[in-house]
Amino acid sequence: RKEVEQDPGPFNVPEGATVAFNCTYSNSASQSFFWYRQDCRKEPKLLMSVYSSGNEDGRFTAQLNRASQYISLLIRDSKLSDSATYLCVVNNGNNRLAFGKGNQVVVIP
Amino acid sequence: DAGVIQSPRHEVTEMGQEVTLRCKPISGHDYLFWYRQTMMRGLELLIYFNNNVPIDDSGMPEDRFSAKMPNASFSTLKIQPSEPRDSAVYFCASSLWSSNQPQHFGDGTRLSIL
Repeated sequence: RKEVEQDPGPFNVPEGATVAFNCTYSNSASQSFFWYRQDCRKEPKLLMSVYSSGNEDGRFTAQLNRASQYISLLIRDSKLSDSATYLCVVNNGNNRLAFGKGNQVVVIP
Repeated sequence: DAGVIQSPRHEVTEMGQEVTLRCKPISGHDYLFWYRQTMMRGLELLIYFNNNVPIDDSGMPEDRFSAKMPNASFSTLKIQPSEPRDSAVYFCASSLWSSNQPQHFGDGTRLSIL
């Protein structure tokens, strides 16, 4: 089983709509969790950390469910600039990160 | 602030040649990571260093790959001899110590082996 699994999509989203996706992780001892954003032909960049209590940053909301071992990301009021690939990232200890293959989001005008 | 700096940005070479990728981490960061990204396999960790010492090289595909970090501000990833299947984007990243600290990535090196 892969360390981090994501549905690659693409997720085609009308501008202004809400989109949500999950990723699952296999290591129950995973210590910390992140969402990274990667634009086409660019490097991954941290979008937000994911805390046990859930957290929100503007239009973005992240949730962690340790019992079911999944992480979610919700984007409200989608903008054209939100088009990117969103990578689910899990720290399995010793700063070793495991990356999912990403959820590709395409916001349509 | 200067981010992670990688060079070259692009490399095209013939199979069998030696390839050297370079990375300068963010000043003060304790950890340095080398990743490879392909469409098929996504982002894979090759090796990482803590305070210039290699900690985990289990992701290095084979003996043709080697990495060094002679000091806190410089690291190299070398492929010798290179093969077409090594074609990928290679990223270097650095971070401070702590499992909650994010990794900061360089722009990557796009490597094509003909």
